Amino acid sequence: GESVGLHLPTLSVQEGDNSIINCAYSNSASDYFIWYKQESGKGPQFIIDIRSNMDKRQGQRVTVLLNKTVKHLSLQIAATQPGDSAVYFCAEIGDSGYALNFGKGTSLLVTP
Amino acid sequence: KAGVTQTPRYLIKTRGQQVTLSCSPISGHRSVSWYQQTPGQGLQFLFEYFSETQRNKGNFPGRFSGRQFSNSRSEMNVSTLELGDSALYLCASRSEDRFGSPLHFGNGTRLTVT
Repeated sequence: GESVGLHLPTLSVQEGDNSIINCAYSNSASDYFIWYKQESGKGPQFIIDIRSNMDKRQGQRVTVLLNKTVKHLSLQIAATQPGDSAVYFCAEIGDSGYALNFGKGTSLLVTP
Repeated sequence: KAGVTQTPRYLIKTRGQQVTLSCSPISGHRSVSWYQQTPGQGLQFLFEYFSETQRNKGNFPGRFSGRQFSNSRSEMNVSTLELGDSALYLCASRSEDRFGSPLHFGNGTRLTVT
């Protein structure tokens, strides 16, 4: 498959366990954050977003936590499945308000 | 709704040539952005168009250009190709809201420069 990062942090979890993927962001003025999932050969797929006036938001099997004090974002995936294996990116709105600044990504590997 | 569509899927070009990539956004989306993805640099912003106007541009040389048509479809052009331009080029669209509107990406055009 295509490589989207030669030295990505890798998280290996067993099927059925919960996964936590962390991200540190840089722009303290950013007020909107997004998590994306990218599978081999595909573009990034939107998972969940959160505004800075929230510290937690839940979706289907996913939860995003935002800690503005330490500029930290996390994505929690409940009951991880093999189909969750992918590279996960966090993104923040850049200074212009139009462009996204992406993190380097974390590779999640789900083992049976 | 159909997703973001990018053509072609793969391209192989030689140094010095130029290339044009095409993107059709999600129906109703007026904002189109382009990103370059490489193993070394990750995802980097190229430019963003809204209603045929470039609103924002990333830190890329002038060899990289783009445009948007009245139907919101967009093209990006890279002239005088260099080996370092080999990358996955991703197009993304969103509704016109500046905030609170996620980008939706296509599957990209894989450009290889030899």
